[in-house]
Amino acid sequence: AQSVTQPDIHITVSEGASLELRCNYSYGATPYLFWYVQSPGQGLQLLLKYFSGDTLVQGIKGFEAEFKRSQSSFNLRKPSVHWSDAAEYFCAVGEGAPGGGNKLTFGTGTQLKVEL
Amino acid sequence: GAVVSQHPSRVICKSGTSVKIECRSLDFQATTMFWYRQFPKQSLMLMATSNEGSKATYEQGVEKDKFLINHASLTLSTLTVTSAHPEDSSFYICSARGPGQGGYEQYFGPGTRLTVT
Repeated sequence: AQSVTQPDIHITVSEGASLELRCNYSYGATPYLFWYVQSPGQGLQLLLKYFSGDTLVQGIKGFEAEFKRSQSSFNLRKPSVHWSDAAEYFCAVGEGAPGGGNKLTFGTGTQLKVEL
Repeated sequence: GAVVSQHPSRVICKSGTSVKIECRSLDFQATTMFWYRQFPKQSLMLMATSNEGSKATYEQGVEKDKFLINHASLTLSTLTVTSAHPEDSSFYICSARGPGQGGYEQYFGPGTRLTVT
């Protein structure tokens, strides 16, 4: 069965500093990988996804993530964090090629705090 | 676009009673809706998948008689927690996917916090 590990429960960074959130996955086949952000009172929002091709993917809000098959990782990065980035971030892996009946397996999330 | 709402955002109920949570797609028709459960400090766990007009498909270990899902229209799905107990207290999140959208495309609601006393 597939699984996702986000080793950091909480991360605090200063505004303007760079950010990296870690995500490791376990999946036997080609992974379909996602990063979501959850702000209080709002639904999860998709930041970016990786299906195939270029292993460095760009997302919304200035985020990017790099797929490294050898490390089974899909870490999320941002070069300069803004106070509005404070939220909870979830990494997820998809089951099977895109089509009908796809399911997502989520990690436990990383709570990001931004210090001004 | 692609907004999903949930109602109520918070609900407290007494043990043994039933509570209904609504999930609506506001600006698109949701042919498929998903219900997740999130425990504190834990990941979202998929409970069931519902397609409009047909019975929901429950994940292994989820009691279908306890968590009743009805997807009666293209914009509304409901989750009813029957005979609720304190261990049912959790954060319930729905998501929706519209026709023509990709297999992994889904839009999430803001969640409903259920507390059973």
